[in-house]
Amino acid sequence: AIRMTQSPSSFSASTGDRVTITCRASQGISSYLAWYQQKPGKAPKLLIYAASTLQSGVPSRFSGSGSGTDFTLTISCLQSEDFATYYCQQYYSYPSITFGQGTRLEIK
Amino acid sequence: EVQLVESGGGLVQPGGSLRLSCAASGFTVSSNYMSWVRQAPGKGLEWVSVIYSGGSTYYADSVKGRFTISRDNSKNTLYLQMNSLRAEDTAVYYCARDPSTSGSYGGWFDPWGQGTLVTVSS
Repeated sequence: AIRMTQSPSSFSASTGDRVTITCRASQGISSYLAWYQQKPGKAPKLLIYAASTLQSGVPSRFSGSGSGTDFTLTISCLQSEDFATYYCQQYYSYPSITFGQGTRLEIK
Repeated sequence: EVQLVESGGGLVQPGGSLRLSCAASGFTVSSNYMSWVRQAPGKGLEWVSVIYSGGSTYYADSVKGRFTISRDNSKNTLYLQMNSLRAEDTAVYYCARDPSTSGSYGGWFDPWGQGTLVTVSS
């Protein structure tokens, strides 16, 4: 199975900061990568698919990049509602989909 | 509005069975690839099973032979039959739609249901 590793596992930041979360695949997955945001007690919400395509309705401060094994999710100017846990997900080996372990973003 | 609503979770003893339901509105379940994804308490996300629009089904190794995914087109509802439940199956179970309309998969999930909690304990 393809293993997805996110870094960092958790960190704190302040509103207005620019933050970057990294996701690394154990083998090349082209651009078959999605990003989700999850808030406590809620279902995950799709942010980005195909590594860099912003889902409709998602604010433009979110962006994704990368291909092959290394990917990033960037939030250009943190807002209070962005403090949450973020997951990457590969679908290169569909239907054997795998997720990263999550990155928890907390308020500094 | 596209929406998914799960039900059927609860407390069950090890070795027991449970059937989860996922009622869809705003789209046709049989026209999309539909998955179940679970999340153990305080843990990350784990894909469990998918049913293709054509009816093919696939499972994670951790549930293969114990869980069965199905759908009722007349009720526009997705199901997950869970047998021989183990403590490690304790999780919130989400149903999720693959939004691709190409007749094949996209690979990502949108939307997700609100989740239903399954607790396996004696």
